[in-house]
Amino acid sequence: DVKVTQSSRYLVKRTGEKVFLECVQDMDHENMFWYRQDPGLGLRLIYFSYDVKMKEKGDIPEGYSVSREKKERFSLILESASTNQTSMYLCASSLNLSYEQYFGPGTRLTVT
Amino acid sequence: QKEVEQDPGPLSVPEGAIVSLNCTYSNSAFQYFMWYRQYSRKGPELLMYTYSSGNKEDGRFTAQVDKSSKYISLFIRDSQPSDSATYLCAMRETGNQFYFGTGTSLTVIP
Repeated sequence: DVKVTQSSRYLVKRTGEKVFLECVQDMDHENMFWYRQDPGLGLRLIYFSYDVKMKEKGDIPEGYSVSREKKERFSLILESASTNQTSMYLCASSLNLSYEQYFGPGTRLTVT
Repeated sequence: QKEVEQDPGPLSVPEGAIVSLNCTYSNSAFQYFMWYRQYSRKGPELLMYTYSSGNKEDGRFTAQVDKSSKYISLFIRDSQPSDSATYLCAMRETGNQFYFGTGTSLTVIP
């Protein structure tokens, strides 16, 4: 079974803090994704990576950056957290772009 | 216009009912169609994955794709309280990013 884990289930941060969200997958998948999920807006793609050290912007990359130093690990960074970044953050991975995505349990981030 | 439209519900049915969940889309190039189930405060889990038009059955679940109408459905037979969750449809073109519906909230009442 594919396993995607995220470093925290719940996180509370203050405005202006730098926030790191980590995601690890154990199936040697090429592609990894970061989404945020908000009521009424569904899943929105922030960034994805198709290989180590490679990244592509998704639909809403502003205010975020990512890092993929190892194949199994994909980090999402909020350089200076703001209250409008309060959301559920979901990491996903797929074997390649032609295959289905598998999701982690999510991190519910609250920025106060 | 959104790429994928999904009625958010909520949908409430008695145990044992047949449930029909639907999505419409605008991009005729979508080839791959998926349904995910998401329990409260959890990540989405893949339920069904289909390519192009037709039906696919897996236990109590049937996924149906009608590309001519740009319409996909998920049917749940003999619904159970454990089916209570939010159901997300997703679709994409070959090799490109996924587009997700906003999800339909389903409650199955014992």
